Amino acid sequence: GENVEQHPSTLSVQEGDSAVIKCTYSDSASNYFPWYKQELGKRPQLIIDIRSNVGEKKDQRIAVTLNKTAKHFSLHITETQPEDSAVYFCAATYGQNFVFGPGTRLSVLP
Amino acid sequence: DTAVSQTPKYLVTQMGNDKSIKCEQNLGHDTMYWYKQDSKKFLKIMFSYNNKELIINETVPNRFSPKSPDKAHLNLHINSLELGDSAVYFCASSQMSGAGNTIYFGEGSWLTVV
Repeated sequence: GENVEQHPSTLSVQEGDSAVIKCTYSDSASNYFPWYKQELGKRPQLIIDIRSNVGEKKDQRIAVTLNKTAKHFSLHITETQPEDSAVYFCAATYGQNFVFGPGTRLSVLP
Repeated sequence: DTAVSQTPKYLVTQMGNDKSIKCEQNLGHDTMYWYKQDSKKFLKIMFSYNNKELIINETVPNRFSPKSPDKAHLNLHINSLELGDSAVYFCASSQMSGAGNTIYFGEGSWLTVV
């Protein structure tokens, strides 16, 4: 089945710096890759997604890149703010299922 | 209006008890899910229903039994609760199953087994 790895598991950055989280997947048939943000005590919420026919997608301070050949995709957050502090999950489709990565705890230090 | 709602939000119960968590979505979605998030924050699929039919049944103990009376509801019943069942259980829904369909999560049900 699909296996999704995510690195780093924890990440601390200074406010205003950029943060990058990387994920790799194993199933070459995967074609949809969402990213979810989970604040403490809250539900995971979609922040951005990318499909396999696109190499990069941006939404204000957030961008996602996809390398299908290497089977990895990354989340980029620029000009980080304290409210970006949360756990971020990548995911990849596997058949009718989504497989989530283990999560990255991002701390943005003021 | 809450899109995916689940009750109860918090549940503390003793080992051996039977408990249920209810979930309802008002988004008109065809697919509903149950995910388990353990203390290490891993999100793992347990079950998925599409229009009341079971489509994903991961390896979970058969003490866990989902029930979908209609496509807007997916309840989770757990028999003979064990300490290891303590976790946050998230209900979720999507327009359809599979790629490209955003999953919307409920607020979670915090289950503590003592």
